Amino acid sequence: EAGVAQSPRYKIIEKRQSVAFWCNPISGHATLYWYQQILGQGPKLLIQFQNNGVVDDSQLPKDRFSAERLKGVDSTLKIQPAKLEDSAVYLCASSYFGKAYEQYFGPGTRLTVT
Amino acid sequence: DAKTTQPNSMESNEEEPVHLPCNHSTISGTDYIHWYRQLPSQGPEYVIHGLTSNVNNRMASLAIAEDRKSSTLILHRATLRDAAVYYCILRGVPRQLTFGSGTQLTVLP
Repeated sequence: EAGVAQSPRYKIIEKRQSVAFWCNPISGHATLYWYQQILGQGPKLLIQFQNNGVVDDSQLPKDRFSAERLKGVDSTLKIQPAKLEDSAVYLCASSYFGKAYEQYFGPGTRLTVT
Repeated sequence: DAKTTQPNSMESNEEEPVHLPCNHSTISGTDYIHWYRQLPSQGPEYVIHGLTSNVNNRMASLAIAEDRKSSTLILHRATLRDAAVYYCILRGVPRQLTFGSGTQLTVLP
């Protein structure tokens, strides 16, 4: 079974620039999650999709972050404009519907904002 | 969400059992206890979860105290590949996973 794919793996941008991350979940997984992990901390949920609908985006900074999952498969997370404090690893995870306890994580995208 | 308390770090010798503790004194009756681990430079990985009874799977065992205010993740024979950050998480339905800082496990050869 192929795992969760993410790209790019690394990204360096200057503050006020924009950046986008892509995620392809495991086939058949209806639920998709984006997490932000700051160095030394555990991951923090930013947004959860069920198919192509948003279930929870309460911790997404909506003034600069946006995410979409148009066809219920791939997803994109965008930051515009980036701030220094956005430097983190952005993790995508997926799970079967009703099995949120067992999430499969991708390798993450390490973002550095200078 | 109910909070969990874990030691910041632990050490273990290779091929010996490891007991990773977690305190969750404010757990509610509907909270499941989950464990994930994160190997270096990888995303977290599901390990095990339970509600009241002890649980076993191919990776580990989960021992839950009778009052559910604490639990222990047991790795039966630690290997160098088990070196990771281990997260103890409480999750109620339908709430999300909320990760803390976890326990950094070092396995010594």
